[in-house]
Amino acid sequence: DSGVTQTPKHLITATGQRVTLRCSPRSGDLSVYWYQQSLDQGLQFLIQYYNGEERAKGNILERFSAQQFPDLHSELNLSSLELGDSALYFCASSDTYLGTQYFGPGTRLLVL
Amino acid sequence: AQTVTQSQPEMSVQEAETVTLSCTYDTSESDYYLFWYKQPPSRQMILVIRQEAYKQQNATENRFSVNFQKAAKSFSLKISDSQLGDAAMYFCAYRGNYGGSQGNLIFGKGTKLSVKP
Repeated sequence: DSGVTQTPKHLITATGQRVTLRCSPRSGDLSVYWYQQSLDQGLQFLIQYYNGEERAKGNILERFSAQQFPDLHSELNLSSLELGDSALYFCASSDTYLGTQYFGPGTRLLVL
Repeated sequence: AQTVTQSQPEMSVQEAETVTLSCTYDTSESDYYLFWYKQPPSRQMILVIRQEAYKQQNATENRFSVNFQKAAKSFSLKISDSQLGDAAMYFCAYRGNYGGSQGNLIFGKGTKLSVKP
């Protein structure tokens, strides 16, 4: 157990819908990262937050957004969902801006 | 841009034997970190080992060790005394270490390791 929690574990929804994925980092970790794992794209970095502020963006679609709250948990919002958004979404946290990242169990999203 | 390449999509090893997974990377940075993560069938991403580029000594964690060749930009993982529980996908990952660098990991496509009893 890495200490990073993610909810829900599984999510099934329809195209065009909006979902919210939640992540709680390890106690004391200030940095949160979101990654997407799909069969065709592999593991890709989406976005990073550090102590409430957005710090880096990767291959994140405009339909996706995220935020980190004062209690340091983070949410990833996915809207106007398409079939291709079906993937495993990971949250990772680290204690510092460039610390070692520990991953949560992931949220498996299936868009039908 | 940095890239990570794992040239072995699949590998197989006999239980109790040793296996080496290959990884090469491309970067113009001089200071960085390299990682191996394990993803078993549960899909959890588990950190196996970490190597700082400025350290010449190869990292070791129990049965897992790396062969870090900075000039060759090579970072292989050796698993000794393989166990059935080692069966998983193994991902090599790179992360820069500059102050202005993004802290995200850049992953290879993975190597699927099977362990035969």
